[in-house]
Amino acid sequence: QSQLQESGPGLVKPSETLSLTCSVSGGSIRSISYYWVWIRQPPGKGLEWIGTIYYSGSTYCNPSLKSRVTISADMSRDQFSLKLSSVTAADTAIYYCARASPEVGGYFDDWGQGTLVTVSS
Amino acid sequence: DIVMTQSPDSLAVSLGERATINCKSSQSVLYSSNSKNYLAWYQQKPGQPPKLLIYWASTRESGVPDRFSGSGSGTDFTLAISSLQAEDVAVYYCQQYYNTPPTFGQGTKVEIK
Repeated sequence: QSQLQESGPGLVKPSETLSLTCSVSGGSIRSISYYWVWIRQPPGKGLEWIGTIYYSGSTYCNPSLKSRVTISADMSRDQFSLKLSSVTAADTAIYYCARASPEVGGYFDDWGQGTLVTVSS
Repeated sequence: DIVMTQSPDSLAVSLGERATINCKSSQSVLYSSNSKNYLAWYQQKPGQPPKLLIYWASTRESGVPDRFSGSGSGTDFTLAISSLQAEDVAVYYCQQYYNTPPTFGQGTKVEIK
C-alpha cells in the first residue's frame, strides 16, 4: 500500500495558477502496476477526476479542464504535480492525489488526505 | 462522457437492517472481451478521503467487511450493506472506469434511522 501526501498553498488568487505536489511513499511512481491521478471535490459536492499521469510520464486530462491543466512528475523523487491556471472561485475544492489501477480509467485504491484550496482575493 | 446516476440521494436505515444503493450508467460498462464490469464503489466519511470498497462491480477490496457487497452488470449496479452498523454512516459513490474520463455518481448519503 502506498502513502500519498498533497502539499501546496491553501489560498490562490483569482486568475493565478494553483500548484500542488503529491509525494508518494511505500511505492514508486515508475511502477508499471499503477497510474497516478488528481481528483477534486468542491466543498459539500461530488468527485471530479482531473487527470492521470502514467509511468511513462505521459498524461491525460479531463477535457473539461484540459486547456488549464498540467500534470508532471519527478520520477526520481516519487512526486507528481498539478498546475491549474486561470483559477476562479469555481476551482475552490479539496484536491486529492490518488493511486489508480492500470485499467482504462482506473479505480482508485489509495488516496492522500486531500488539501483544501480556496480561490479568493 | 459516461453519466453515472445514483439513487436514492439519501436513505435512512435502522441499525442492523439492509441498505441498498443503486447506480445506473448512461452506457454499458461491461467490456465484452473480458466480461468485466468497470465499476467501483467508494465510501467517504466526513473529513476523510474516499475509500475503495468494491471494484470490478463485485470484488471486495482487502479489509472491507463482508457485509458490503456489489452486484449488477451492464448499466445497472447495486451496493448493499447487509446489516448496517453505526460506522457505515457515510456518503457512497459509484465510479465507472470503462473509459476516460472516469466519472462518479453524485453520491448517496446513508444515515441511521
